[in-house]
Parts: sequence; structure tokens; C-alpha cells
Amino acid sequence: KQEVTQIPAALSVPEGENLVLNCSFTDSAIYNLQWFRQDPGKGLTSLLLIQSSQREQTSGRLNASLDKSSGRSTLYIAASQPGDSATYLCAVRSGTYKYIFGTGTRLKVLA
Amino acid sequence: NAGVMQNPRHLVRRRGQEARLRCSPMKGHSHVYWYRQLPEEGLKFMVYLQKENIIDESGMPKERFSAEFPKEGPSILRIQQVVRGDSAAYFCASSPLQPTSGGPYEQYFGPGTRLTVT
Repeated sequence: KQEVTQIPAALSVPEGENLVLNCSFTDSAIYNLQWFRQDPGKGLTSLLLIQSSQREQTSGRLNASLDKSSGRSTLYIAASQPGDSATYLCAVRSGTYKYIFGTGTRLKVLA
Repeated sequence: NAGVMQNPRHLVRRRGQEARLRCSPMKGHSHVYWYRQLPEEGLKFMVYLQKENIIDESGMPKERFSAEFPKEGPSILRIQQVVRGDSAAYFCASSPLQPTSGGPYEQYFGPGTRLTVT
């Protein structure tokens, strides 16, 4: 049974710092992995999607990597800003259509 | 092209009442998925529907919960005789493609309905 874990559960950093969020999964047989951002009381915003055949994806200040064999993904955020404060969710597509979500990392970037 | 729409955004029900949550997928999408997010937890898959068909309801509680996606109109998630434990955010997602093991495939999520049971 696929399980997704995100560490740390919460993170507080000063503005401008580079940071790494971690996601691990127990079953390496995944089709893709997706990082989302969730603002309080809001829906999910897709940030990056990595296909199982890819190693990383980049969008602006965000870079996500995927290591299937070790069951890990990282989301790197460069030069963090207060506007980056949100909960970041990692989800793996395990099975043809089911997304298995982690419990998220609550990020707070201090001005 | 409007995104996935859900309504209401917030719903308050007393214990024992019925809750109806609606989801309009993106235009051209015929595959709908419902997820539930309990407080301080990640989203959990509930049900996958295509037009007029339930494909997989393995994540949905056996009692009081039902879902439909009629030929016309939105998908409905219905919770009968709500209890406090049903309080959660319910998210709908849609996709345009038949999910397959390979190739690009992505689910697009709506803003969610936050259900509070008093």
C-alpha cells in the first residue's frame, strides 16, 4: 500500500533563504508525482508535475526532483518570499488514476 | 476556459441533515474524482466517475455517502444524515483523458467545499 510522507511538517524561514521540502513514498511503482500549493481555506494550485521517466522539473524559482528508486522527491524553493507562505502538498499517482497525498509541509516565510 | 467549479464553497449542516456538494468539471472533461481532506490531513481519494458511471468508489464510506455524474449537469456528492466526523474539505478534480498507465495525465482540482457539521 502506497504511503506518502512529508518532512518537515512545518517550517519557518527568513525571507531570501533557499529551502528544500521533502517527500518520500513507499512504493516506487508510480506514474508521476505532483507538487501542489494550498493556501489557507483555498483549493490546490499545481506547481510542478514530474513524469516517472523524468528526474526533475523547473518553474521559475521552483525545482522539483524525483528519485524513484529511493522513493524520494524534493521541492527546492530559491530566494523565498513571504508570498511563498502556504502548505505544500506532494502527491503520487499510484495506480492508473489515484493520487496519494502526503499531509503537507506548512511553510512560513518571515519578512 | 473556466476551471473546475464547486459549490457551495462553504456549507453548514446540523447533525442528521443531508449535504449535497456539486462539482462542474472543466469544459471537455468527462472524468471526475472526489477527495476528502480532514483537518490536518492530506487529501484522500473517495470516488472516480465518468458520465453516468461509477468507476471506483473504493475510498467512499459504504453508508450515507453516494456520488453521481449524470449525463447532463454537475457531479453530486451526497452525504445523508451527516455527523460531526463528516466535517472536512471536499475537493473535486477532473481530467480530459482516459487515465492510462503512460503518457501525460493530470487532474485539475477545484477550490473545494468546506463542510461544517454542528
